Amino acid sequence: DGGITQSPKYLFRKEGQNVTLSCEQNLNHDAMYWYRQDPGQGLRLIYYSQIVNDFQKGDIAEGYSVSREKKESFPLTVTSAQKNPTAFYLCASLPQGAMVNEQFFGPGTRLTVL
Amino acid sequence: DAKTTQPPSMDCAEGRAANLPCNHSTISGNEYVYWYRQIHSQGPQYIIHGLKNNETNEMASLIITEDRKSSTLILPHATLRDTAVYYCIVSSRYGQNFVFGPGTRLSVLP
Repeated sequence: DGGITQSPKYLFRKEGQNVTLSCEQNLNHDAMYWYRQDPGQGLRLIYYSQIVNDFQKGDIAEGYSVSREKKESFPLTVTSAQKNPTAFYLCASLPQGAMVNEQFFGPGTRLTVL
Repeated sequence: DAKTTQPPSMDCAEGRAANLPCNHSTISGNEYVYWYRQIHSQGPQYIIHGLKNNETNEMASLIITEDRKSSTLILPHATLRDTAVYYCIVSSRYGQNFVFGPGTRLSVLP
């Protein structure tokens, strides 16, 4: 089945540690996105990538880093510089030239920093 | 700056129509109105979108006012499984400024 995989579903880390969230898609989509969601809030864009080896900052990129070495993978690293990393993180992908409503979302990773 | 305004929460009786309003008074001519919903701890699910004409699909209907400054998502026969947060988003066709606001939390009551 084609889709987006985010693992793990729940992740716990100690304060001050970097942590990397996985996002893999087998949809052959060109664009990939990372969003953050806080309780009772909408989604906010962290980073996005339109093609391999290229990515752009979204609205809240500070304290995060990404890489796009392969088309199917777009890992997100939450660094110790992120002041309040506990949140629900969603990855999404989109084919090139597609309308935005064709954006395909993964199941999300809930990160808790203790 | 918020481009859409939605009530934070609404209740609806099971089997009745759920009408979710959205104000988007600053919408520009090339921007669409999109609706998504998100069930707790899952990714958002696309529902419907429109430019200026009313739209209907198997999930819902979208009514856009003639001046395009507001719209209403209609779930014709709400079920308990429709309990979710519903997001109204205004964006160009290819997703520039595709922003999810806080949405409306719809509770369908038995």
